[in-house]
Amino acid sequence: AQTVTQSQPEMSVQEAETVTLSCTYDTSESDYYLFWYKQPPSRQMILVIRQEAYKQQNATENRFSVNFQKAAKSFSLKISDSQLGDAAMYFCAYRSANNDMRFGAGTRLTVKP
Amino acid sequence: AAGVIQSPRHLIKEKRETATLKCYPIPRHDTVYWYQQGPGQDPQFLISFYEKMQSDKGSIPDRFSAQQFSDYHSELNMSSLELGDSALYFCASSLEGLAGGSSYNEQFFGPGTRLTVL
Repeated sequence: AQTVTQSQPEMSVQEAETVTLSCTYDTSESDYYLFWYKQPPSRQMILVIRQEAYKQQNATENRFSVNFQKAAKSFSLKISDSQLGDAAMYFCAYRSANNDMRFGAGTRLTVKP
Repeated sequence: AAGVIQSPRHLIKEKRETATLKCYPIPRHDTVYWYQQGPGQDPQFLISFYEKMQSDKGSIPDRFSAQQFSDYHSELNMSSLELGDSALYFCASSLEGLAGGSSYNEQFFGPGTRLTVL
């Protein structure tokens, strides 16, 4: 079974600085999708960014980008120019080709003014 | 290490039937969350319980109810099932401890229950 590991339960960053959240996963599949979700206090899950495993180019969404290392099975999220509104729980997730989903345990990001 | 257990893993129901999904949190975890993820959609937070009391409520339909029992396991009861209820239902558990269920701690997700409504 696939597992997703987020090794940083908590991270903090100064406003306007850059922070990287780590995620590794274990799979024997070659075709899959990876996601980062943001969960604010409302508990709503908001998609931040997604990456298809067959794409070598790292996904980017405005201030959010990923470093996808397929061979190393690593999928880190970089948040540039951090804003106070970025403070939340961040979940890394894996979806297999047959739509089986696995989530990491989350990283709590604090943004200091 | 023990993980979150969900049962059943797969469930097929007809429209207007009822379904009960079960979640067994990691031992000593006091908080349970339920999420629904429809095909091609992001997970939607449904409801959470801390120490057997409802702590947060999300987009849970009135046809659904949930509770957390004295042994901390939780059940999601779904009635008058509709085709649109077909989804993956995830349970996650965490240890909120003395923070009263409002702090942000790691949530350990179960493997999910895949519900198909025909």
